[in-house]
Amino acid sequence: DIQMTQSPSSLSASVGDRVTITCRASQSISSYLNWYQQKPGKAPKLLMYAASRLQSGVPSRFSGSGSETDFTLTISSLQPEDFATYYCQQSYNTLFTFGQGTKLDIK
Amino acid sequence: QVQLVESGGGVVQPGRSLRLSCAASGFTFSSFGMHWVRQTPGKGLEWVAVIWYDGSKKYYADSVEGRFTISRDNSKNTLFLQMNSLRAEDTAVYYCARGSGSSSLDSWGQGTLVTVSS
Repeated sequence: DIQMTQSPSSLSASVGDRVTITCRASQSISSYLNWYQQKPGKAPKLLMYAASRLQSGVPSRFSGSGSETDFTLTISSLQPEDFATYYCQQSYNTLFTFGQGTKLDIK
Repeated sequence: QVQLVESGGGVVQPGRSLRLSCAASGFTFSSFGMHWVRQTPGKGLEWVAVIWYDGSKKYYADSVEGRFTISRDNSKNTLFLQMNSLRAEDTAVYYCARGSGSSSLDSWGQGTLVTVSS
């Protein structure tokens, strides 16, 4: 199985901050990397697909980059609604795997 | 709009079985691969299984291989997950999700809670 490792596991930030979350794959996954946002009690929501493509309706302050094994999700200017948990997920292998999540909370 | 509604969750004893359903609407169900993903209370996401758009291929996470069976009825726009030999560690919220052409999960249901306990 392909293991996905996110860092940090948790992060405190303020409204207006720029934040970056990192995801590392245990082997090359090309650009088959997706990012999801999950708020408490809700289903995950797709933010980014194919490493750097913004899902329809997602604000442009979200961006993604990377390829092969190292990927990042960046939020350019945090808004109150962005405080949530973020997950990366590889789709290179038919058996998908998720990172353990990064909880972003208010400082 | 795309809607996925899971049902069938509940409390079940270890070793018993449960069948989850996911009713789809708002899109051409028979054109999309479908997935089950679960989330242990307070923990992260675990992908469980996928079924091809026509049901021709099915794949499972190692943790459920041989115990769970994914299936679909395209005439009824419904996805299923048959869960046998349930264990305490299968306790989770189970989500169905639509597989997109970009190999992501672009729509999710609200989830149904399965609790395995004696």
